[in-house]
Amino acid sequence: QTVVTQEPSLTVSPGGTVTLTCASSTGAVTSGNHLNWLQQKPGQAPRALIYNTYRSHSWTPARFSGSLVGGTGALTLSGAQPEDEADYYCLLYYDHRYGDAWVFGGGTKLTVL
Amino acid sequence: EVQLVESGGGLVLPGGSLRLSCAASGFTFNNHWMTWVRQAPSKGPEWVANINEDGSKRVYVDSVRGRFTISRDNDKNSLFVQMNNLRAEDTAVYYCARWGLNDNHTPDYWGQGTLVTVSS
Repeated sequence: QTVVTQEPSLTVSPGGTVTLTCASSTGAVTSGNHLNWLQQKPGQAPRALIYNTYRSHSWTPARFSGSLVGGTGALTLSGAQPEDEADYYCLLYYDHRYGDAWVFGGGTKLTVL
Repeated sequence: EVQLVESGGGLVLPGGSLRLSCAASGFTFNNHWMTWVRQAPSKGPEWVANINEDGSKRVYVDSVRGRFTISRDNDKNSLFVQMNNLRAEDTAVYYCARWGLNDNHTPDYWGQGTLVTVSS
């Protein structure tokens, strides 16, 4: 069973920078995993921020960026704002070798404090 | 404006069945893959199933394969999931989402979800 691992929780100061990571039990996260990052606030549906590792949606604030670092996926928030406090989930695609499936990470609860 | 509106959720007995619907508007429905994602109470999201533009390809998470069937009606801009032999662990909010076009591998628009509760 494929497992995607994220930090359970992180804290960042207002205006500060924080990096969330996303690791795969199958090995290095690559462009073929089509890494997505989604943000979810209480009572709301998830909302995709980053896709295909580093591409931003039109609604994604410029302070969010995605990358691959050392075989893991990364979401960097530069200049955190109070409204960025939320749960963040990564989403990875696994091809036919792993069942042609999409798998969410367990999520990171980000506190801006 | 892209809109996705789910319906059909409710309380169902273990072993029972339920059919969820998702009404789509504001975009060319038959150009997009579509997906169902669920989220159990206080848990993270779980991808459930995808269907391609014309309904000829469907993929499922292992835990629902053989019990759930994703389908679509492009004439009615609607997405469905038929859920049979429901279990307590299927209790969740079920979201439909649209996948981006071409190489944009992302669930870019989501509905607000419909709650399914499996309990006796």
